[in-house]
Amino acid sequence: QSALTQPASLSASPGQSITISCSGTSSDIGAFDFVSWYQQHPGKAPKLIIYEVRNRPSGISYRFSGSKSGDTASLTISGLQAEDEADYYCSSYTSDTTRIFGGGTKLTVL
Amino acid sequence: QVQLLQSAAEVKEPGASVEISCKTSGYTFSNKAISWVRQAPGQGLEWMGWINPTFEHPNYAQKFKGRVTMTTDTSTSTASMELRNLGSDDTATYYCATIFRGVVTALDFWGQGTLVTVSS
Repeated sequence: QSALTQPASLSASPGQSITISCSGTSSDIGAFDFVSWYQQHPGKAPKLIIYEVRNRPSGISYRFSGSKSGDTASLTISGLQAEDEADYYCSSYTSDTTRIFGGGTKLTVL
Repeated sequence: QVQLLQSAAEVKEPGASVEISCKTSGYTFSNKAISWVRQAPGQGLEWMGWINPTFEHPNYAQKFKGRVTMTTDTSTSTASMELRNLGSDDTATYYCATIFRGVVTALDFWGQGTLVTVSS
């Protein structure tokens, strides 16, 4: 099964908002509300920031929000801060009872 | 607080096997499934499989079937992952992570990662 499709990179200025898309199929994102998003800083383990499409774990800033429409999920980060510069990965449960990740998006805060 | 502590980095020759351990604490081990994910240098995340400590019935990604074994030890709250017949493309950082609810939701707590280098 191919990876979910994300833009390879995005950049924006502090204070702006950005949206990272994650495109899948009717066998993964389109089939289940089990989309999650992870933030990874260089040399660190990934960190869960959104689960089940739009829910934030305890301690995650309200500036992070998630949504889904059809086979595509999205992560929006509002009020960008320097610390948001990182790699972001989407993930979904699949109809094969497996998990799939996106290729990752490198976010640069200018 | 939930913690996952992984074993140290390994260097292996092609064709060898590696076993990585993931010692957990801060929660009831049998209540959360464990997933394994790897990341090749400069690349993205790749899901390898999961195992539920209660049922010990692992589910492996098709790519690794026949070459990977995931186990759990409830007496020590430790999960382990063995990967056999290593090739250079298995050079990666391997992570264990707990699954938030059941086996389908999200990976909520992660280990620090174990770098495995395959080289002759």
